[in-house]
Amino acid sequence: QSVLTQPPSASGTPGQTVTISCSGSSSNIGGTYVHWYQHLPGRAPKLLIYGTNQRPSGVPDRFSGSKSGTSASLAISGLQSEDEADYYCSTWDDGLIGQVLFGGGTKLTVL
Amino acid sequence: EVQVVESGGGLIQPGGSLRLSCAASEFIVSTKYMNWVRQAPGKGLEWVSVIYTGGTTYYADSVKGRFSISRDNSKNTVYLQMNSLRAEDTAIYYCASASDYYSYAMGVWGQGTTVTVSS
Repeated sequence: QSVLTQPPSASGTPGQTVTISCSGSSSNIGGTYVHWYQHLPGRAPKLLIYGTNQRPSGVPDRFSGSKSGTSASLAISGLQSEDEADYYCSTWDDGLIGQVLFGGGTKLTVL
Repeated sequence: EVQVVESGGGLIQPGGSLRLSCAASEFIVSTKYMNWVRQAPGKGLEWVSVIYTGGTTYYADSVKGRFSISRDNSKNTVYLQMNSLRAEDTAIYYCASASDYYSYAMGVWGQGTTVTVSS
């Protein structure tokens, strides 16, 4: 059971906007940055969002991150078939010095 | 091209040991935080260990006391020594280096190496 809670699944149709949530606590999400990773089966995971709302070079601006209190969100607008993947939030916790946390992951299906 | 390549996975009996390697190209491992992350069959990503630029290391509670991370600057390679392996250590093990943008995000990932612990 992960300290960071994500819905196990999400879905949308092409062109729609989908939001994936990541719930934590004041000792993790509430107090530090959140990062998001995209993982396609059989591929290396990819950094999508760092520092809660920053995109690395090359990541489309369809992907955006935000945070409110102890919850973070990843929004994907203009949904495309190639966005079908697993998405993970990540941060760390004040009580677990040096350890990195991952959410349980959300499988996004593009209908 | 900036990349990391893992190797060393395989089939090992419970209680056995294995050493994974992560060879880096186009960057120097001692200048980046280097992580190991694993994914068990049908499960999500689980962080395993990190070695900081200064040499400080941290481990997930699930592997503490059994796994050890290290690096060889002359070979530009990071290692994960895994001892007292258990069935629940079966997973794809990914090496990931810190992002250029923020040290605590993982920007470069390898394709992974598979470890199967079974008798």
